[in-house]
Amino acid sequence: DIQMTQSPSSVSASVGDRVTITCRASQDITSWLAWYQQKPGKAPKLLIYSASTLQSGVPSRFSGSGSGTDFTLTISSLQPEDLGTYYCQQANIFPYTFGQGTQLEI
Amino acid sequence: EVQLLESGGGLVQPGGSLRLSCAASGFTFSTYAMGWVRQAPGKGLEWVSVITGKGGTTYYIDSVRGRFTISRDNSKNRLSLQMNSLRVEDTAIYYCVKDEGAGSGYEDCWGQGTLVTVSS
Repeated sequence: DIQMTQSPSSVSASVGDRVTITCRASQDITSWLAWYQQKPGKAPKLLIYSASTLQSGVPSRFSGSGSGTDFTLTISSLQPEDLGTYYCQQANIFPYTFGQGTQLEI
Repeated sequence: EVQLLESGGGLVQPGGSLRLSCAASGFTFSTYAMGWVRQAPGKGLEWVSVITGKGGTTYYIDSVRGRFTISRDNSKNRLSLQMNSLRVEDTAIYYCVKDEGAGSGYEDCWGQGTLVTVSS
């Protein structure tokens, strides 16, 4: 199975800050990567797919980049509603695997 | 509006069985791959199984293969997961998920989840 490793495991930032979360795959997944946001007590929500395509309805302060094995999720100007846990997920081959998550505190 | 509503979770003893269901609405159900993702209490996300739109192809993670069976009824817009020989480590919230296409692996809609607890 492809292993996905996120860093950091947790981050604390202030409103207006730029936040970056990284994700590394154990093998080349080209651009088959998604980012999800999970707020406490809620189901995850798709933010970005194909490494850099913003899902409809997601604010433009979220962006994704990368290809191959190294990927990044960036929040350009952190908002209070962005708190939660962020997961990367590879969709190159089943079993689709998730990173361990990055907990974002405001 | 796309909606997924799971049911069927509950408390079951190790070795027991449970059948989860997911009622889908707001989209052409048979067009999209569907699946189940689980989350153990306080833990991360784990894919369990996926099924293509017409139901011809299924995939399972190793730890559930041979014990779980995913199926769909496109005439009723319903996805199911039959879980047999349940283990304590199967305890989790189980989410029904909709693929954004025919099997891209990107899940653009999630149900609210149903809790499965395996305990004696």
